Amino acid sequence: GENVEQHPSTLSVQEGDSAVIKCTYSDSASNYFPWYKQELGKRPQLIIDIRSNVGEKKDQRIAVTLNKTAKHFSLHITETQPEDSAVYFCAASLALQGAQKLVFGQGTRLTINP
Amino acid sequence: EAGVAQSPRYKIIEKRQSVAFWCNPISGHATLYWYQQILGQGPKLLIQFQNNGVVDDSQLPKDRFSAERLKGVDSTLKIQPAKLEDSAVYLCASKAGRGNEQYFGPGTRLTVT
Repeated sequence: GENVEQHPSTLSVQEGDSAVIKCTYSDSASNYFPWYKQELGKRPQLIIDIRSNVGEKKDQRIAVTLNKTAKHFSLHITETQPEDSAVYFCAASLALQGAQKLVFGQGTRLTINP
Repeated sequence: EAGVAQSPRYKIIEKRQSVAFWCNPISGHATLYWYQQILGQGPKLLIQFQNNGVVDDSQLPKDRFSAERLKGVDSTLKIQPAKLEDSAVYLCASKAGRGNEQYFGPGTRLTVT
């Protein structure tokens, strides 16, 4: 089955700097890669996702890149702000006709220092 | 649009006791998931329903965990008997038919003492 590895486990950056979180997956058939943000004591919320037919996707200050050959994908946050502090999870899934089974990484605790 | 609802939000029980969690997905969402999130880890899928049928329960410890979604809407997850290692947050999520995004509920934090 699918296995997702996420690095680093903790990341601390200065406000305004960029943050990068990386994930690798094992199943080459996976075709859907979402990123979730989870604030302390709250539910995970989708912040961006990418499908395997796209190499990069951007939404304001966040972007995701996908390298299918190497089986890794990354989350990029630019111009970080204090409200970006949270735990971020990557996930991988084989999505077929509505069926979807997400396998999550272990999470990265991002701290933005003012 | 109302979100995914879960209850209770917190539960403390002793080992070997039983506990049940309830989830009400977003209206019209056919797919419902139960995840277990142990502190410091990512959510792990326990069971996935499509309407009232089980799609995947390969990671559900069936000797102690059970789940049902009788009318294809609400779902319950039960643990009987509980073990210390079952202490975790139990998250319910739902997804529309062909959509990609899973919407998570607030979770139930279970502490087994």
